Amino acid sequence: AQSVTQLDSQVPVFEEAPVELRCNYSSSVSVYLFWYVQYPNQGLQLLLKYLSGSTLVESINGFEAEFNKSQTSFHLRKPSVHISDTAEYFCAVSLYNQGGKLIFGQGTELSVKP
Amino acid sequence: EPEVTQTPSHQVTQMGQEVILRCVPISNHLYFYWYRQILGQKVEFLVSFYNNEISEKSEIFDDQFSVERPDGSNFTLKIRSTKLEDSAMYFCASNRRVGNEQFFGPGTRLTVL
Repeated sequence: AQSVTQLDSQVPVFEEAPVELRCNYSSSVSVYLFWYVQYPNQGLQLLLKYLSGSTLVESINGFEAEFNKSQTSFHLRKPSVHISDTAEYFCAVSLYNQGGKLIFGQGTELSVKP
Repeated sequence: EPEVTQTPSHQVTQMGQEVILRCVPISNHLYFYWYRQILGQKVEFLVSFYNNEISEKSEIFDDQFSVERPDGSNFTLKIRSTKLEDSAMYFCASNRRVGNEQFFGPGTRLTVL
């Protein structure tokens, strides 16, 4: 069965510091990979996605993630975080050519302190 | 920018009552989904819907649950006889193609007393 593991449930970090949120997945078939962000009392918003092509994908607000097939990982990074990045971050996969449902990780709560 | 909308934002109900959660997906999307998130837990897939029928459902989606697209715009989730453990945030999502990003609504918080 497919699964997604986010290794850190909470990541506290100071403003302007770099951050990495880790995500590993398990699947016997090819996958599409996503990072969603959930701000307090809001729904899920897509942060970035990997469907095919370049393994390094970037978002408009400075986050990037790299698909590593050999390590089955899709870690999220940002070189310098802001207070406004405080949110819950969810890694998710959907299976290639199989229905489209998203399988989510447990989420990582990023807390940026001044 | 088009968005997925959900109503109500918060629903409180008594155990055993029926509830209907409503969603309006983005108009040119073809695939529709319901997910739920129990407080403190991860987001879980419930059901996907395409071409007016269920394409996949999870173990959670038992006979108490049903989905419907009654017209060209709404997509509903019905829980026939709610249980305490149905208390959760329910998210609707849609996309144009399988594998594309899914656009999520803001969620309906269901509280079963």
